[in-house]
Amino acid sequence: KAGVTQTPRYLIKTRGQQVTLSCSPISGHRSVSWYQQTPGQGLQFLFEYFSETQRNKGNFPGRFSGRQFSNSRSEMNVSTLELGDSALYLCASMQGLTYNEQFFGPGTRLTVL
Amino acid sequence: GEDVEQSLFLSVREGDSSVINCTYTDSSSTYLYWYKQEPGAGLQLLTYIFSNMDMKQDQRLTVLLNKKDKHLSLRIADTQTGDSAIYFCAAISSGSARQLTFGSGTQLTVLP
Repeated sequence: KAGVTQTPRYLIKTRGQQVTLSCSPISGHRSVSWYQQTPGQGLQFLFEYFSETQRNKGNFPGRFSGRQFSNSRSEMNVSTLELGDSALYLCASMQGLTYNEQFFGPGTRLTVL
Repeated sequence: GEDVEQSLFLSVREGDSSVINCTYTDSSSTYLYWYKQEPGAGLQLLTYIFSNMDMKQDQRLTVLLNKKDKHLSLRIADTQTGDSAIYFCAAISSGSARQLTFGSGTQLTVLP
């Protein structure tokens, strides 16, 4: 069974641009969560989607948004990029609603110049 | 909200036991998790413990939970160089804002 895949793996953008990151969960998994990892703030929860509905949202500005498609694939979008958005963005999938079987992808490294 | 704290660094000799500690603040936390992150990789779930348990053992890993002190530890027996990584403690509460809160991570270095 293939793991969680994230594309692209690396991305360089400039301030003010927008970016879309993609996450394909493990086959059969209906829940996708997104996390931002930075040296300063550590791992922070962005949002969680289950069956195309946002179930939970972390404390991030409205520039950060996401969606989930009917095949459970998810995208997150960051508009008007700031230098502080440089981070590793991790996606994780679960079959149901229990974190006891949550699998992470390798992440997308976003650099904002 | 929940706050999870960990020490930043730990060094051990190969073959010794490693003990990584974590404290959390929300007494309603139902599940507590340990994740491992190797360089350039995502997080790997190592083990978890339910809040009504005191201990859980899984091969070389032992998790101890002191619910009164809100203290969690991960013991790795016979630590190997391949265990060098960052270890994250995480907690989830039973409240409606169900989300994982992670500690800052402990960098474990295993010396030969």
